[in-house]
Amino acid sequence: GNSVTQMEGPVTLSEEAFLTINCTYTATGYPSLFWYVQYPGEGLQLLLKATKADDKGSNKGFEATYRKETTSFHLEKGSVQVSDSAVYFCAPPRGDKLIFGTGTRLQVFP
Amino acid sequence: DSGVTQTPKHLITATGQRVTLRCSPRSGDLSVYWYQQSLDQGLQFLIQYYNGEERAKGNILERFSAQQFPDLHSELNLSSLELGDSALYFCASSADLKVSTDTQYFGPGTRLTVL
Repeated sequence: GNSVTQMEGPVTLSEEAFLTINCTYTATGYPSLFWYVQYPGEGLQLLLKATKADDKGSNKGFEATYRKETTSFHLEKGSVQVSDSAVYFCAPPRGDKLIFGTGTRLQVFP
Repeated sequence: DSGVTQTPKHLITATGQRVTLRCSPRSGDLSVYWYQQSLDQGLQFLIQYYNGEERAKGNILERFSAQQFPDLHSELNLSSLELGDSALYFCASSADLKVSTDTQYFGPGTRLTVL
């Protein structure tokens, strides 16, 4: 079945630094891929998604490209802000469910 | 605001007790999902309902049960509570039942503390 490997956190950065959170997956076929974000004290919300291979999802300055040749969906942002501090989940589907795991905690300091 | 509501926000109870968590999905969404989030296990999928019927099951204990009512709200029942059941419980909804493509919208969660 499908599975995901996401880099462990916490990731600690200074404001305006470049962010990469790695995510690699195994999947049957080419399902849509998702990044969800959980801000402190809140539920998860969709950050971005890509529906097919080579698609790029983007939102709020974050980007991720669905790369079938490397089976990756790495999350990037050119310049992080303190308000980006949150937990980020790469979530590929596995059959009839999304696999969220423990996520990657990002802490951005001014 | 995702449009998904959950009540109560916080629940404190004792071991052996039974509680009910309630979720109202976004208007028009037919699918409801329940998740448990704990520090050591991360976010674990429990169960999914679609238009009143159970569609998928995850790591849900036998002491836990859920249902979705004709008005599409859902309840998660947790019984014979143990200390280890203390966690955040999230409800999410989506328009349809295609997990592989649908966006899930999460509620703010119910924090359960079992003493």
